[in-house]
Amino acid sequence: DGGITQSPKYLFRKEGQNVTLSCEQNLNHDAMYWYRQDPGQGLRLIYYSQIVNDFQKGDIAEGYSVSREKKESFPLTVTSAQKNPTAFYLCASSSLAGESYNEQFFGPGTRLTVL
Amino acid sequence: DAKTTQPNSMESNEEEPVHLPCNHSTISGTDYIHWYRQLPSQGPEYVIHGLTSNVNNRMASLAIAEDRKSSTLILHRATLRDAAVYYCISNNLFFGTGTRLTVIP
Repeated sequence: DGGITQSPKYLFRKEGQNVTLSCEQNLNHDAMYWYRQDPGQGLRLIYYSQIVNDFQKGDIAEGYSVSREKKESFPLTVTSAQKNPTAFYLCASSSLAGESYNEQFFGPGTRLTVL
Repeated sequence: DAKTTQPNSMESNEEEPVHLPCNHSTISGTDYIHWYRQLPSQGPEYVIHGLTSNVNNRMASLAIAEDRKSSTLILHRATLRDAAVYYCISNNLFFGTGTRLTVIP
């Protein structure tokens, strides 16, 4: 079945540790996105990528890093520089970057808790 | 950047129509209007999108104002499964805070 997978579903880390969240898609989509969601809040864009080996910052990129070495994969690293990393992280993909009519497909999300 | 504004919350009785408004006064001429909805602890799912004309699909209808500065998502008969947060976005990158729809049995 085609779709987006995020792993793990729940993740616990100690304060000061970097952590990498996985996002994989087999939809052959060009664009991939990372969003952060805090309780009771909407989605805020962290990073997005329109093509392999290229990515752009979103609204809240500070304290995060990404890579796009393969079309299928867009991992997100939450670094120790992120002051308040506990949140629900959502990955999405869409078929044509820059074309605003293309729907985004979302993964199930990873809930990160920093202790 | 084009941003949207929506009411924080709305209520509807079950099996009645629901009209969810969205303002996007800074939308550009080529940006589509998308609606997504999100159930608790899940990723958002696509509902509908449009550019200028009203649109219908199996989930909902989308009514777009002639000046494109606002739109309305219409659920023709609300069910308990429609209780969710509904997001209106005027390009494909920036989500607002959404409208939390409560459906009353």
